[in-house]
Amino acid sequence: KAGVTQTPRYLIKTRGQQVTLSCSPISGHRSVSWYQQTPGQGLQFLFEYFSETQRNKGNFPGRFSGRQFSNSRSEMNVSTLELGDSALYLCASSLQGRGSGYTFGSGTRLTVV
Amino acid sequence: GIQVEQSPPDLILQEGANSTLRCNFSDSVNNLQWFHQNPWGQLINLFYIPSGTKQNGRLSATTVATERYSLLYISSSQTTDSGVYFCAVDQGAQKLVFGQGTRLTINP
Repeated sequence: KAGVTQTPRYLIKTRGQQVTLSCSPISGHRSVSWYQQTPGQGLQFLFEYFSETQRNKGNFPGRFSGRQFSNSRSEMNVSTLELGDSALYLCASSLQGRGSGYTFGSGTRLTVV
Repeated sequence: GIQVEQSPPDLILQEGANSTLRCNFSDSVNNLQWFHQNPWGQLINLFYIPSGTKQNGRLSATTVATERYSLLYISSSQTTDSGVYFCAVDQGAQKLVFGQGTRLTINP
């Protein structure tokens, strides 16, 4: 079956702009979570959605937001981009999000110039 | 919050060698996974192993939950095993906490 699909793979944006990233989970998986990976901070949790509800949120500013649709697809949005937002953004899906393994997508590499 | 420490940070080996990667965590966990990050950035799931031992080909993993550590064994290393290996834990809060990774380099 198809894995976790993230689009786009690469993105270049200018400071001050906003960006929307998309994640389609494995069919049947209702939990979607997002992570940011940077060389300095490593992999950090952004937020997790289950059945269109945000269940947990990491320690990121309000410029980072997300949502989940009824088909479990999720989007994350970053507004007023800063240079420090340049990172690899990874999405993971899980069957239930509790006591289940996570499967990751290929990621979106965002560069802010 | 929970702390996850991986060792060693870097490991350089010759093809054919065996390796052991360690992951220590500071509190009890519901879930522990080992991932291999490929050159394109994707995290490939190796093992879901909150406790016990599992094997998959040349790779095996053991988690001793009562002592809060997990080990990943790679036998007869190949150059394609190169990359960064991450350990990540979940305490039931629907989020993974990652270690800083071990960068493995296998030279031909």
